[in-house]
This record gives sequence, structure tokens and C-alpha cells, in this order.
Amino acid sequence: GEQVEQRPPHLSVREGDSAVITCTYTDPNSYYFFWYKQEPGASLQLLMKVFSSTEINEGQGFTVLLNKKDKRLSLNLTAAHPGDSAAYFCAVVTGNYKYVFGAGTRLKVIA
Amino acid sequence: DAGVTQTPRHEVAEKGQTIILKCEPVSGHNDLFWYRQTKIQGLELLSYFRSKSLMEDGGAFKDRFKAEMLNSSFSTLKIQPTEPKDSAVYLCASSLLGGADEQYFGPGTRLTVL
Repeated sequence: GEQVEQRPPHLSVREGDSAVITCTYTDPNSYYFFWYKQEPGASLQLLMKVFSSTEINEGQGFTVLLNKKDKRLSLNLTAAHPGDSAAYFCAVVTGNYKYVFGAGTRLKVIA
Repeated sequence: DAGVTQTPRHEVAEKGQTIILKCEPVSGHNDLFWYRQTKIQGLELLSYFRSKSLMEDGGAFKDRFKAEMLNSSFSTLKIQPTEPKDSAVYLCASSLLGGADEQYFGPGTRLTVL
């Protein structure tokens, strides 16, 4: 079945620095991709939805890149601030509509 | 619209007890998921329903975990009997179109088994 590897498991950056989280997947038929954010003590909330035809998505303070050739999805927080401290999860939807989550990245932004 | 609601928010059980967790999905959503979240294992799928039909029951969790969807707006997760290793946060999520759509997560139930 689909394998999703998320790196790094923990990440600590200073305020204003960038932070990059990467997920690699195995199923070449995967075509929907999601990033979720989980703040301490809270549940998961959608950060960004990425379709197979989209390579770059930009949100408020972050960029999502999808490289289908390398089967890699990345989340780049361009100028991290303490409010970005949270756990981030990627999710990959496989060709048979199965949702597979990465193991998560715990990001800490130091002021 | 109301989001996904879960009750109780916290549950403390003695080893061997039976506990039932409840979930109400977003109105109109067809898919419902139960997950267990721990720091070590991350998010583990327990059950997946589509239009009230059980699509996936999370293999390793079959023996003591049973999820049911009595109607389109209510689901339960029963753990019987509980063990200390079941201590975790249990998340319920729903989505409109399954794989093509985002999952909306509830606030979770934090279970502690003594």
C-alpha cells in the first residue's frame, strides 16, 4: 500500500527564518494532497489542498510545492513566527481514494 | 454550520472497562473516520464509513475496537475491554466526497486508561 514519509519529525527555527517540511509518497496514482496544522491542544485543521495539476500553491506566509516526478510534497513557511508553532501533517490520497497521513512534524518557532 | 462534535472530551477508565466515544459529523457529509493519535504512532485509522457502510476497520484494531454508524449523523466507537495502552486521543473526522475532499476533524476525546 501507499507509504508516506514525512521529514523532519521535529524542527526548531528562529522567528523570521524559513521552515521546510517534506513528504514523499510511493503511489504514482496519488492525485490529491493536503496539509493540516494542529496547534497544541487542538485538532487538525486544513492548511492547504493541492491537486495533481497544481504545482505551487501560496497561502498566508507559506508555499506548497508538488513534484509529481519525484513524488514529493513540501510545505515551506517563508518567515516563521511563534504562531506557526504546531504540528503539521501531510495527507496523500491514493489512486483508490485511500487517505494516508504522514507521521507529522513538530515545529517550534523561537522568538 | 456546526463542525464535527465529539463527546466526551476527556474520559478516564479503569483497565477492563468498556467505554463508548461519540461523534456527530458535519451535516451532509458522507464519509466518517475514526483515528487514534499518539505521539509515537501518529495518526492511526481505526474505522472508515461511507454512507453508513463500514469500508475499513483498521485491521489491528478489530478485536477490542468496534465503530458503528447508527445513522448518518451519529457514530460511536466502543473499546471493550480497555487496556492502558489504549490511552490516546481519539479523533473523529468527516468529509463530503471522501478522497477528493478535505477531512474535517472534531476536537477529539482524550482517553486515559489506568
